[in-house]
Amino acid sequence: GNSVTQMEGPVTLSEEAFLTINCTYTATGYPSLFWYVQYPGEGLQLLLKATKADDKGSNKGFEATYRKETTSFHLEKGSVQVSDSAVYFCALMNRDDKIIFGKGTRLHILP
Amino acid sequence: DAGVTQSPTHLIKTRGQQVTLRCSPKSGHDTVSWYQQALGQGPQFIFQYYEEEERQRGNFPDRFSGHQFPNYSSELNVNALLLGDSALYLCASSWDVNTGELFFGEGSRLTVL
Repeated sequence: GNSVTQMEGPVTLSEEAFLTINCTYTATGYPSLFWYVQYPGEGLQLLLKATKADDKGSNKGFEATYRKETTSFHLEKGSVQVSDSAVYFCALMNRDDKIIFGKGTRLHILP
Repeated sequence: DAGVTQSPTHLIKTRGQQVTLRCSPKSGHDTVSWYQQALGQGPQFIFQYYEEEERQRGNFPDRFSGHQFPNYSSELNVNALLLGDSALYLCASSWDVNTGELFFGEGSRLTVL
């Protein structure tokens, strides 16, 4: 079946550090891939997405590239800010339109 | 423009009771999905409603049921509550499910004692 595995948290970084949150998936066919973010006190919101192999999604300085050969969609940001502290969820959607989420990775950015 | 709103925000029930959670989708959205998020876990898909019909369902027992009204708002009902039903219940709306872009409410936190 379809599933998403992402790195365990919490991840703690200093401001301006480089961020990588790993995500791998298992799916039949060619799913669409997403990163959702949940800021403290807010609902989940879409951060970025990619719909086919080699696509790069980007938003707010975050990037992730759809790698079919490694079934991965790692989230990266070159210089994190305190305001990036949140829980990040990797997710996939296959042809059935159900969105499957990973367990989430909590990110703490220290000033 | 109001986003997705859910009520109540918190509630406490005892085992065996029934609960109803409510959701109003974002303006212009016609599809509502419900998710269960246990502590420290990602959201798990319960079901999706479109045009007042259940369109998709995840691996949840029949104790979980729902409804969508003509104004696109939705309810989630859970019967015969178990301790394991304690979780944050999230409602998400969308205008085109093919995009995968869901707009989430802040959730209803259910505690079953």
